[in-house]
Amino acid sequence: AQSVAQPEDQVNVAEGNPLTVKCTYSVSGNPYLFWYVQYPNRGLQFLLKYITGDNLVKGSYGFEAEFNKSQTSFHLKKPSALVSDSALYFCAVRDMRDSNYQLIWGAGTKLIIKP
Amino acid sequence: SQTIHQWPATLVQPVGSPLSLECTVEGTSNPNLYWYRQAAGRGLQLLFYSVGIGQISSEVPQNLSASRPQDRQFILSSKKLLLSDSGFYLCAWSADLAGGLYEQYFGPGTRLTVT
Repeated sequence: AQSVAQPEDQVNVAEGNPLTVKCTYSVSGNPYLFWYVQYPNRGLQFLLKYITGDNLVKGSYGFEAEFNKSQTSFHLKKPSALVSDSALYFCAVRDMRDSNYQLIWGAGTKLIIKP
Repeated sequence: SQTIHQWPATLVQPVGSPLSLECTVEGTSNPNLYWYRQAAGRGLQLLFYSVGIGQISSEVPQNLSASRPQDRQFILSSKKLLLSDSGFYLCAWSADLAGGLYEQYFGPGTRLTVT
């Protein structure tokens, strides 16, 4: 069965430090992978995606993610955290072989950046 | 550019009352449309998705229904609300596979409180 795991319910980082939000996945075929961010009482905003090609993907607001096929991971990273990065982050995956259009979502990780 | 609208932004309804939430997309044709529910500010639950006018797939059995009367309009309804229907409802769209885009774009959401 397809699944996405975000093993950390919450991540705390000091402003200016690097941050990592973890995501691992399980699909039968090759994955399409996505990261989204949600600020309180707002809709989700698309950050970045991996479809094919370079394993390091750069996205909005200085975020990047690295696709690691052997570890089935797609961790979100940023070199220097800002207080404004505090939000809820979701990882999602779709199996390339699926003909439907659904994403499998992780449970979300709350990121708190302390000044 | 494409935009997605949802209304109302907030709604307080008594148990047993009807519900109608509307979502419209601008700037694209034949989008795939989705309704999600987010409870307690965390995980996303896919309720319905649609790949075309009049084509609705339901993911979770419940007292909610969805309709797509026009290409870029998606409506979520209920004849009688339950307390458990409270939550944050999100509408999203994505381009079809032929368009080469795979990510979903979300509306601002509707906060529904059933009392």
